[in-house]
Amino acid sequence: QQQVKQSPQSLIVQKGGISIINCAYENTAFDYFPWYQQFPGKGPALLIAIRPDVSEKKEGRFTISFNKSAKQFSLHIMDSQPGDSATYFCAASQGWGAQKLVFGQGTRLTINP
Amino acid sequence: GAVVSQHPSWVICKSGTSVKIECRSLDFQATTMFWYRQFPKQSLMLMATSNEGSKATYEQGVEKDKFLINHASLTLSTLTVTSAHPEDSSFYICSARAGVQYFGPGTRLTVT
Repeated sequence: QQQVKQSPQSLIVQKGGISIINCAYENTAFDYFPWYQQFPGKGPALLIAIRPDVSEKKEGRFTISFNKSAKQFSLHIMDSQPGDSATYFCAASQGWGAQKLVFGQGTRLTINP
Repeated sequence: GAVVSQHPSWVICKSGTSVKIECRSLDFQATTMFWYRQFPKQSLMLMATSNEGSKATYEQGVEKDKFLINHASLTLSTLTVTSAHPEDSSFYICSARAGVQYFGPGTRLTVT
């Protein structure tokens, strides 16, 4: 019940396209859902996060869509650029960023120029 | 923004020796820090929660006597891998809590 399932494992998108990564969770006590971007050999960096009281949050080219009834959330990267090529992790926790995070399995995103 | 540093960034040690990894919050105080482990092309797995001035809380399956955590100040937590073995080779990442979690750059440990 503590798992967060992420898909796809890998994704190739053409430059300018939309990248979509999906996550699903079981624990209804989760109330904080961040997305992290990680480059090889580096630590994860927080991209964007959402709480379940909203269905969508947008920051620049990055959008989180949240479906509370389905217990799913997704990351959309608009106008994908080669510099977006990285591994993306969704995560979940109880408590706004303050508590231990459960991470998804990760998605390796490649943006072809 | 909040910055978390780790030292060293990479370390190679011989089997049976101990290695200490430092995690520092550079521009904020963190009463809570977290230690994660990441194997190649895999996700981050939480090892322990480090609270300043008290004992760390370890996740199930993590050997507390092997992975010693000390959080002696509001800006520093250390992870010591004792009697390291090749299977301990991994990427160790810390995070510090300041509203949200900010992650360090990670430490690559190779045990030969």
